[in-house]
Amino acid sequence: SAVISQKPSRDICQRGTSLTIQCQVDSQVTMMFWYRQQPGQSLTLIATANQGSEATYESGFVIDKFPISRPNLTFSTLTVSNMSPEDSSIYLCSVAGTAAYEQYFGPGTRLTVT
Amino acid sequence: ILNVEQSPQSLHVQEGDSTNFTCSFPSSNFYALHWYRWETAKSPEALFVMTLNGDEKKKGRISATLNTKEGYSYLYIKGSQPEDSATYLCAPSDGYSSASKIIFGSGTRLSIRP
Repeated sequence: SAVISQKPSRDICQRGTSLTIQCQVDSQVTMMFWYRQQPGQSLTLIATANQGSEATYESGFVIDKFPISRPNLTFSTLTVSNMSPEDSSIYLCSVAGTAAYEQYFGPGTRLTVT
Repeated sequence: ILNVEQSPQSLHVQEGDSTNFTCSFPSSNFYALHWYRWETAKSPEALFVMTLNGDEKKKGRISATLNTKEGYSYLYIKGSQPEDSATYLCAPSDGYSSASKIIFGSGTRLSIRP
């Protein structure tokens, strides 16, 4: 299994600002994923991040709003740009395991935008 | 896009009682179904991955069944304990590998009354 940490664990931000969320894994992984869960909604995939290539975004998510970095095999960041109250969510990173279907999740970052 | 529905949305159960809840998903192009348990402020924890019609998996007091022909899975908890309080998420995969996307339902929030 993989141990994943995220920073910050929670934050309260003002409208119009940006927040960068960090995801650190204790082992090298090829694929990392970023999800968000808005209040009352499902966990929704934002993008897939492979090391050495640009992130692939899901429908409804764009790079200008959610830029992602993946500088090495153990680390990734997600930035939530120009925040509005609708961005208030829990943001999680996850990594693909070595066995089929394995995915491990971080503890999440709880973001409130005022 | 997979449409995943979970019911009920929330459930309150007396300690010691058994309970179950449902996940329904499209039966066409089925690859695998995940069940996760997500406690507040913690990482979602993988409970089961099921791939075959008729699969039945068990982990302690928790078990799950899978019907891929009709597109549903049940999760059962026997003799509920306070530590079972969590949101239970089901999520079908859209492929065979650990890098495949998993599409989450909105979850069943389970609360156990002591």
